[in-house]
Amino acid sequence: DADVTQTPRNRITKTGKRIMLECSQTKGHDRMYWYRQDPGLGLRLIYYSFDVKDINKGEISDGYSVSRQAQAKFSLSLESAIPNQTALYFCATSDSEVDTQYFGPGTRLTVL
Amino acid sequence: AQSVTQLDSQVPVFEEAPVELRCNYSSSVSVYLFWYVQYPNQGLQLLLKYLSGSTLVKGINGFEAEFNKSQTSFHLRKPSVHISDTAEYFCAVSDYDNQGGKLIFGQGTELSVKP
Repeated sequence: DADVTQTPRNRITKTGKRIMLECSQTKGHDRMYWYRQDPGLGLRLIYYSFDVKDINKGEISDGYSVSRQAQAKFSLSLESAIPNQTALYFCATSDSEVDTQYFGPGTRLTVL
Repeated sequence: AQSVTQLDSQVPVFEEAPVELRCNYSSSVSVYLFWYVQYPNQGLQLLLKYLSGSTLVKGINGFEAEFNKSQTSFHLRKPSVHISDTAEYFCAVSDYDNQGGKLIFGQGTELSVKP
């Protein structure tokens, strides 16, 4: 079984809809991250959490919110989706600032 | 502020040829440096990382990278590529002084290996 899972893997939605992307990990890591990937822009950090009570904004947090329900679960919400949020979204986990980040398989989100 | 620049967006190369993917970073503090690879329709996985010590770092699948502090570079190399190396490669930097663990990624380099 995969260590970092993301659901759904693909989602098509309409402008103005609320969307939640979920991430679960079995690696026992405290640190979790949400990134979005756009062609030619690499990965950009949306939110990150160093433990259940610690949530921090990343580079591009506007239009997004997160919830850390447990050590193993970190959800990303788009309260009112807009077309420029169409992207590939990745969740990642790590054990420390020097440790490898382990990525999920990604969620491809299309906002029409 | 930190930044990472990958100097080539696409690198086409023939099988068994050597390849170098270039990465430059800017940071006012000491850094940790990473290379990740993304195969088609997959998430990212770590190729190698530089934390301290020897400036030549060896990673998986025959890749290596050299940290050059004076040139603020961390170029990735492989002496002989295979078709299976076709993927997108990302350079990333994390600094010592922030709360830790935040990676700044470059724009990515698409490596295309042709037979």
